[in-house]
Amino acid sequence: DAGITQSPRHKVTETGTPVTLRCHQTENHRYMYWYRQDPGHGLRLIHYSYGVKDTDKGEVSDGYSVSRSKTEDFLLTLESATSSQTSVYFCAIRGRGNTGELFFGEGSRLTVL
Amino acid sequence: AQRVTQPEKLLSVFKGAPVELKCNYSYSGSPELFWYVQYSRQRLQLLLRHISRESIKGFTADLNKGETSFHLKKPFAQEEDSAMYYCALSGNNQGGKLIFGQGTELSVKP
Repeated sequence: DAGITQSPRHKVTETGTPVTLRCHQTENHRYMYWYRQDPGHGLRLIHYSYGVKDTDKGEVSDGYSVSRSKTEDFLLTLESATSSQTSVYFCAIRGRGNTGELFFGEGSRLTVL
Repeated sequence: AQRVTQPEKLLSVFKGAPVELKCNYSYSGSPELFWYVQYSRQRLQLLLRHISRESIKGFTADLNKGETSFHLKKPFAQEEDSAMYYCALSGNNQGGKLIFGQGTELSVKP
């Protein structure tokens, strides 16, 4: 599992409330990613990080922010959750070497009522 | 723009039948292509990469640059192959991002 854990694994919240999802890795990988998974859309990149305090937007970044204050943690924040953000969120890290392979966490299922 | 298209949402076959999951891509450079699989209640995991030209669990995929395709094939499907399959592309971009297709659910019936 490349030492990736996500928390919480399940969350139900109400529209307008803030939500933070945490991705934690134990193997000092430089690159980390947040994707959302939705039926008919596959996985879409929200934000990614290429080092501490270095982040960039993906294709569906509106309504999301991220922070990476230390190598092992990559936080995804929904400042004011909306029903359209109901989804399964996956964190991933890029493996070492030049394989291009990503290793995924187990996912966090978020329901916004 | 980089894009990956998987035209089939659901593919249903009987055990022992051949399987082909389609993937087409759009990219102007030399892409790296991958197939990822997600079994029920498990995390996504890499199935195979075009660079390694390997066969994993009986699956193969050949990159066809002329047709911009990377179809996944298996000659004889097994029930345990039932899962979601995602085709993904990595270009020469910063950050090693993967662009995923919409996914194809493979259902292998006994």
